[in-house]
Amino acid sequence: EIVMTQSPATLSVSPGERATLSCRASQSVSSNLAWYQQKPGQAPRLLIYGASIRATGIPARFSGSGSGTEFTLTISILQSEDFAVYYCQQYNKWPPQVTFGQGTRLEIK
Amino acid sequence: EVQLVESGGGLIQPGGSLRLSCAASGFTVSSNYMSWVRQAPGKGLEWVSLIFTGGSTYYADSVKGRFTISRDISKNTLYLQMNSLRAEDTAVYYCARVGGSNGGPIDYWGQGTLVTVSS
Repeated sequence: EIVMTQSPATLSVSPGERATLSCRASQSVSSNLAWYQQKPGQAPRLLIYGASIRATGIPARFSGSGSGTEFTLTISILQSEDFAVYYCQQYNKWPPQVTFGQGTRLEIK
Repeated sequence: EVQLVESGGGLIQPGGSLRLSCAASGFTVSSNYMSWVRQAPGKGLEWVSLIFTGGSTYYADSVKGRFTISRDISKNTLYLQMNSLRAEDTAVYYCARVGGSNGGPIDYWGQGTLVTVSS
């Protein structure tokens, strides 16, 4: 099973600043990596797929990078609505192995 | 516009059964892989089950032998039959569409339905 590890568990950043979230895979997933945003009481929303491709309607301040086992989600200028939990997910081996990271909570500093 | 609307959640005693439904619109459930993902209270996302376009099914080890995923193309609806429910199955269950033609990211999610297993 491919294990996805996100860091940090919680990230405190001020509005207007940059946030950098990390995701590591236990084995290569090529570029088959997605990022999701989840706000309280809501379903997750697809932000990034193919490691670096923004989903429809996602603002340009969200960017993804990486391949293989190391991935990064960067939010360049944090807006108030960006404070949420972010999950990475690999879909390189799909199915039966579809694995999510444990999430990073992005909170207001 | 793609929409997924789940129903069927509720409070159920341990050992009981429940069937979740997911009504899809804006696309045909047989044209994409479809999945169920759950989230226990205060926890992360856990993949539960998948059905291929061809009808093959897959399950997480935690639910294998107890849960069954299916679809009704005439109703454009996805189902999750859950038997022998346990306390640890308590979660919000999301219906999800897998993007692409060969297994991609989850591009659409339903709003979720809460299943609570408790006596």
